[in-house]
Amino acid sequence: DIQMTQSPSSLSASVGARVTITCRASQSISNYLSWYQQKPGKAPKLLIYAASRLQSGVPSRFSGSGSGTDFSLTIGSLQPEDFATYYCQQSFGTSYTFGQGTKLEI
Amino acid sequence: QVQLVESGGGVVHPGRSLRLSCAASGFTFSNYAFHWVRQAPGKGLEWVALISYDGRKKHYADSVKGRFTISRDNSENTLNMQMNSLRPEDTAVYYCARPLGYYDSSGYYYGSDAFDIWGQGTMVTVSS
Repeated sequence: DIQMTQSPSSLSASVGARVTITCRASQSISNYLSWYQQKPGKAPKLLIYAASRLQSGVPSRFSGSGSGTDFSLTIGSLQPEDFATYYCQQSFGTSYTFGQGTKLEI
Repeated sequence: QVQLVESGGGVVHPGRSLRLSCAASGFTFSNYAFHWVRQAPGKGLEWVALISYDGRKKHYADSVKGRFTISRDNSENTLNMQMNSLRPEDTAVYYCARPLGYYDSSGYYYGSDAFDIWGQGTMVTVSS
């Protein structure tokens, strides 16, 4: 099975800061990579799909890049509502592994 | 509006069974594959199972293979998961999720496998 490794596991930042979260796949997954945001007690929310495509309704300060095995999610200017946990997920083949998550704290 | 609503969670003893359901509304259910994803308390997301739009193809995470069975009823717009031989490590919130991509009437697939619609989740607790 394909393993997904996110880094860092947690991150402290301030409002207005630019942050980047990375995700590495254990084998090439082309661009079959999505990013989700999850707040406590809520279902995950899709932010980015196909590695770099912004989901409808998601603010443009969120962006994704990468292909093959290395991917990143960048938040251009942190807003108070962005403090949450972020997950990457691969959808290459018939397994849909998630990364372990990155908790973004103030 | 487009919506998924899970039900069926509860507290069960180890070794017992439970059946989860996910009711869909606001879109053409039979055009989409569906997934179950779970999240143990304080832990990350774990993909559990996938069923194709027509129910013919099913795939499972190794952790549940042979114990869980995913199914669907396209006439009732309902996704199900039968969970047998439950273990304490199956304790989690279980979400049903729909991908962005869909199948047309000819069976061609359009879009992405990313999960854009999620239910609110149903809690399953396996404890003696």
